[in-house]
Amino acid sequence: AQTVTQSQPEMSVQEAETVTLSCTYDTSENNYYLFWYKQPPSRQMILVIRQEAYKQQNATENRFSVNFQKAAKSFSLKISDSQLGDTAMYFCAFMKSPASGSRLTFGEGTQLTVNP
Amino acid sequence: KAGVTQTPRYLIKTRGQQVTLSCSPISGHRSVSWYQQTPGQGLQFLFEYFSETQRNKGNFPGRFSGRQFSNSRSEMNVSTLELGDSALYLCASSISSGGRDTQYFGPGTRLTVL
Repeated sequence: AQTVTQSQPEMSVQEAETVTLSCTYDTSENNYYLFWYKQPPSRQMILVIRQEAYKQQNATENRFSVNFQKAAKSFSLKISDSQLGDTAMYFCAFMKSPASGSRLTFGEGTQLTVNP
Repeated sequence: KAGVTQTPRYLIKTRGQQVTLSCSPISGHRSVSWYQQTPGQGLQFLFEYFSETQRNKGNFPGRFSGRQFSNSRSEMNVSTLELGDSALYLCASSISSGGRDTQYFGPGTRLTVL
């Protein structure tokens, strides 16, 4: 079974600064997908970024980027130029290869607070 | 396009009752997955339906069941409610099954069991 671990229950950052959230996972699969979702106080789960394991290039979406280290099974999220609206719970998630359906395995979450 | 909708948004039930939650996916999406979110257990996968067939099932008792209709709308049912079933229930839809397409989540149904 796959497991996802987020070792930082809470983090805080000053507005406009950069912050990195950590995530490690355990799997014997070679083909899989990794995701970061954010859940603000509204509880709406929003996709931040996704990474296909077969792609060596790290995914980037505007101020959000990942550092994907497949051998180390590490998938960290970097948020640049942090904004107040980035305050949310961030979840790292894992999905096996397409043949296994759309089942997401989530980490415990990291509560990020951006301070003015 | 309208997003994923879930009804009702809030629900209060008593132990022993049963409940049905509904999820309408984004138009054109054929896969619907359900998740339970609690402070103690975090986010846990319940099941996935794709083209009216259950594709995946998580580790939940048989009291939790679901189905999908021909228009891709999905319902989940919980029978004989227990206090521990109090949770936020999230559904997510995607065009196809598997990670090729992004899963979009609904706002959730907050179930409270008294």
